Amino acid sequence: QKEVEQNSGPLSVPEGAIASLNCTYSDRGSQSFFWYRQYSGKSPELIMSIYSNGDKEDGRFTAQLNKASQYVSLLIRDSQPSDSATYLCAVISSNTGTASKLTFGTGTRLQVTL
Amino acid sequence: SAVISQKPSRDICQRGTSLTIQCQVDSQVTMMFWYRQQPGQSLTLIATANQGSEATYESGFVIDKFPISRPNLTFSTLTVSNLSPEDSSIYLCSAKRGGSGDTQYFGPGTRLTVL
Repeated sequence: QKEVEQNSGPLSVPEGAIASLNCTYSDRGSQSFFWYRQYSGKSPELIMSIYSNGDKEDGRFTAQLNKASQYVSLLIRDSQPSDSATYLCAVISSNTGTASKLTFGTGTRLQVTL
Repeated sequence: SAVISQKPSRDICQRGTSLTIQCQVDSQVTMMFWYRQQPGQSLTLIATANQGSEATYESGFVIDKFPISRPNLTFSTLTVSNLSPEDSSIYLCSAKRGGSGDTQYFGPGTRLTVL
């Protein structure tokens, strides 16, 4: 079982719609969760971090964390063509020997269509 | 956030040679990391660069192949040695400040092509 799993996509949504990106993780003791956006040929850019169960909103982005079910999601409201990118879920697990080690999922490619 | 720069941004190298990548952060950070992103893949941690001591390597990565230095709190280098085409990847530096939780910020990356 992969430590962090994401559907590779592509996830295609029309402009103005809500994009829903999902991520599951295997280490129940994980405490820190991140969503990064990566445009083609660019480095990852932090969008959201979340540490507690529930929702965290920042502008058009909402991160949702459910530790009991071991999933974290990212909602993008009013999706824009500029949101088209690969979204990487990253988790800091408690069971690694490296402090602050980010384990990344394979990423979900989002396409926002006109 | 931290502003991170990397040099070079890209390079094309011959098999058997080495490439050293520099990472500079705009202010002191507690931790610096080096990641590799192979074509079409996600990011994999190579090692944690420790200031004043040997880097901590992840499983599958060894010091002889990926020597790392971190002489101070804002600068680190990664050398990829004895290059082979399989080393063609993007190499990324990241940094974490103290007091910023676990948030890591990434440099722009170095795209390495080995012929």
